[in-house]
Amino acid sequence: DGGITQSPKYLFRKEGQNVTLSCEQNLNHDAMYWYRQDPGQGLRLIYYSQIVNDFQKGDIAEGYSVSREKKESFPLTVTSAQKNPTAFYLCASSSQGARGYGYTFGSGTRLTVV
Amino acid sequence: DAKTTQPPSMDCAEGRAANLPCNHSTISGNEYVYWYRQIHSQGPQYIIHGLKNNETNEMASLIITEDRKSSTLILPHATLRDTAVYYCIVRSDNAGNMLTFGGGTRLMVKP
Repeated sequence: DGGITQSPKYLFRKEGQNVTLSCEQNLNHDAMYWYRQDPGQGLRLIYYSQIVNDFQKGDIAEGYSVSREKKESFPLTVTSAQKNPTAFYLCASSSQGARGYGYTFGSGTRLTVV
Repeated sequence: DAKTTQPPSMDCAEGRAANLPCNHSTISGNEYVYWYRQIHSQGPQYIIHGLKNNETNEMASLIITEDRKSSTLILPHATLRDTAVYYCIVRSDNAGNMLTFGGGTRLMVKP
């Protein structure tokens, strides 16, 4: 079945360490996205990529970095510069110019920094 | 994209209809109303969308007022599995690739 796989589901890291969250899709989608969700809040866009080797900052990109070397993969690195990294992270994908119903989301990674 | 306003939370009895309102008074003529829902600790899932006319699918119905300034998502027979956060999103087809989420409505279906 086509879909998006995020791994791991739960991740614990010590303060000051960089950590990379994985996102893989087999939907042949061109565009991929990373969102952050804090408890009781909506989703906020961190980074998005519309094509391989290109990506743009979203609303809250500070302290995060991404790469898009392959169409299927869009890993997110949470760096030590991110002041409050504990959150639920969601990856999504869509075709180029997708209409509002054309987005597929992964099941998320819950990151806890101790 | 136009902004939306939703109540932060609602309760509904199991088996009854759940009516979730959304206000989008600044909606433009080319903007659609989309609804997604997010069950706890999962990714959002598309439910339904509409432009002017009321819409129905196997999951829900969408009622859009004639002036398009508000809409209501209806879950006709809510079950415990419908407990989730419901997001109303207003978006045009040429909005680029981003999907913007507000705070949503947390629906609690109670036995």
